[in-house]
Amino acid sequence: SQQGEEDPQALSIQEGENATMNCSYKTSINNLQWYRQNSGRGLVHLILIRSNEREKHSGRLRVTLDTSKKSSSLLITASRAADTASYFCATDPGGAGSYQLTFGKGTKLSVIP
Amino acid sequence: EPEVTQTPSHQVTQMGQEVILRCVPISNHLYFYWYRQILGQKVEFLVSFYNNEISEKSEIFDDQFSVERPDGSNFTLKIRSTKLEDSAMYFCASRIDWGGTDTQYFGPGTRLTVL
Repeated sequence: SQQGEEDPQALSIQEGENATMNCSYKTSINNLQWYRQNSGRGLVHLILIRSNEREKHSGRLRVTLDTSKKSSSLLITASRAADTASYFCATDPGGAGSYQLTFGKGTKLSVIP
Repeated sequence: EPEVTQTPSHQVTQMGQEVILRCVPISNHLYFYWYRQILGQKVEFLVSFYNNEISEKSEIFDDQFSVERPDGSNFTLKIRSTKLEDSAMYFCASRIDWGGTDTQYFGPGTRLTVL
């Protein structure tokens, strides 16, 4: 499989429920970032978690990182219809390179009002 | 809040034509990137640019592609002779390049349609 694989590929929930998306990766990372993309639009940065961090919060978002399992999860609490979008994790290898991000295929979240 | 801008938002071109996609990164950022996303697929890295030269490029970034920073603000991606398979959304991103802030900020994208 490839670096930055999210699951599930698609998730449909009712407004008010929590949504959890997972991301797995293969190689070592400097940080992992989550982005949101509304249909056909640009990428909006949500949150960055560094390799030495285990959990991070931002508003209704909670991200965890388990470097031993090479996995991360994004939790959106109390979802709203406006959260409907695709969510991507992207890994940053750090090191001496140019820090280009490797994206997963994304989770398509539908929040039903 | 500063943001990355891209023009045009949508470009339609004939196969074989040259296109130039333009980006204005955030002003104090030093690393610049181009990514592309073919419809329904994941975002793929094309090239990174730092200190007025290409830092890294992917296999996708062949001789048909070039990047340039013609002045202090613009960052361009040129495709010399477009192919049908170049149809995609092209994203520019920038990063500040100093410790503590590794976030890449993306522009809204240019949708390129090659007919």
